[in-house]
Amino acid sequence: QVQLQESGPGLVKPSETLSLTCTVSGGSISSYQWTWIRQPPGKGLEWIGYIYYSGTTNYNPSLKSRVTISLDTSKNQFSLNLSSVTAADTAVYYCARPCGSYRKDAFDIWGQGTLVTVSS
Amino acid sequence: QSALTQPASVSGSPGQSITISCTGTSSDVGGYNYVSWYQHHPGKAPKLMIYDVTNRPSGVSNRFSGSKSGNTASLTISGLQAEDEADYYCSSFTSRSTVVFGGGTKLTVL
Repeated sequence: QVQLQESGPGLVKPSETLSLTCTVSGGSISSYQWTWIRQPPGKGLEWIGYIYYSGTTNYNPSLKSRVTISLDTSKNQFSLNLSSVTAADTAVYYCARPCGSYRKDAFDIWGQGTLVTVSS
Repeated sequence: QSALTQPASVSGSPGQSITISCTGTSSDVGGYNYVSWYQHHPGKAPKLMIYDVTNRPSGVSNRFSGSKSGNTASLTISGLQAEDEADYYCSSFTSRSTVVFGGGTKLTVL
């Protein structure tokens, strides 16, 4: 059974880069559009973007200038970098996988989520 | 991309049925049969309840059902139970090959 686990700093200073890693266990990272989603405190879910195992990416237009998602197949991991963060980037960050290898939506596997706070 | 529009809250008594709406545009909800619904209990990961407008993943109760008309999708929960109390989010695939979520609806079981 595939499981996802986010890891990374829980506190990031304003203007710096937020970096998180999602480790995929119980299955291969090959295939699927590996996705990052976040939820600011008291707000709704926001789709950040995905990376396909081939390296193809697609990002939320509102975050595109600051987001990079990358893949490390040797470690079965994918990562999120979000640059020039502000307090508005404080959120619980989830990694997720869609329910089909050809799909970009319908996420049936999620990590537990990790809270990242942006503060000096 | 703008978030899909959901009511902020809905409520119902045990045993009753409730419906949550999710309104988008022809570039997302209206343009594709790729609407999903998630149940989210605070502190837990969201759970996929409906995908492709009407399909239930294995293990999801048949009390949950989905539909769509034009640019508006709906989630209906019948035979409401206390454990259904949670936040519910819709999402849709979009014409930009991205995904957009709704603002979320808090379901209260009275």
